[in-house]
Amino acid sequence: EPEVTQTPSHQVTQMGQEVILRCVPISNHLYFYWYRQILGQKVEFLVSFYNNEISEKSEIFDDQFSVERPDGSNFTLKIRSTKLEDSAMYFCASSEDYLPSEQFFGPGTRLTVL
Amino acid sequence: EDQVTQSPEALRLQEGESSSLNCSYTVSGLRGLFWYRQDPGKGPEFLFTLYSAGEEKEKERLKATLTKKESFLHITAPKPEDSATYLCAVQARNAGNMLTFGGGTRLMVKP
Repeated sequence: EPEVTQTPSHQVTQMGQEVILRCVPISNHLYFYWYRQILGQKVEFLVSFYNNEISEKSEIFDDQFSVERPDGSNFTLKIRSTKLEDSAMYFCASSEDYLPSEQFFGPGTRLTVL
Repeated sequence: EDQVTQSPEALRLQEGESSSLNCSYTVSGLRGLFWYRQDPGKGPEFLFTLYSAGEEKEKERLKATLTKKESFLHITAPKPEDSATYLCAVQARNAGNMLTFGGGTRLMVKP
C-alpha cells in the first residue's frame, strides 16, 4: 500500500540553525501539506502546496518557513532560523484531490530545538 | 472561526465494552468531516470521511455517524489493539483544503 514517508525521523538542532524536513508524498497525489503537533496539543495546519505554489497557509507559517518541491518526488519544509517554540512533530500529508481531500499523513519528524 | 471539540479527552474501556466518542464542530459550512487514528509517536491514520448529515461509514468495529453539529465514532466490542488516540478534523467551505483538528480522545482498552 502506498504511503507518505518522511526523513529524518528525529532532528535535533541548535536555536538559530536552519533545518530542512523532507517528505516523499504518495506518487499519484498532487496536493501536499505540512502540519505540526506540539507535544500534548492539537495537530495544526501550516501550509498546502499544489503545482509548485502555496495554496493556503496559516498564521503559523511566517517568513521563517518555506516549502519546495525540488524534484518529482520530494517535498520539503525549511525553517530558516529555528526557535525553541518550533520544537514539535512535523507531519507531511498528501491528497489526490483538492476538495474534498482525504489527506494521508506520514509518520512525522520530531524536531527538537535546543 | 472554525472549532472542533472532542469528548471525552480520555476513555478507559474493558475489552468488549462498547462506547462512543463525540466530535462537536462549529464551521461556517462543512465540506467534510474526517476521523483519524493516531498511535503514540506516529502520524494520523485515515479512517473515514463523512460529507453530509445522516451519513454513516463502517470499518470493522468502528462506525462513524454525522449530524449537523456533531459526529460520533462508535466502537463495538473493542479489543486492546483499538487503543489509540482518535482525532476528528473538519474541512470548511471557506478554508480551502486545510484540516482543522480537535484535541482527540485517548482510548485505552484493557484485556
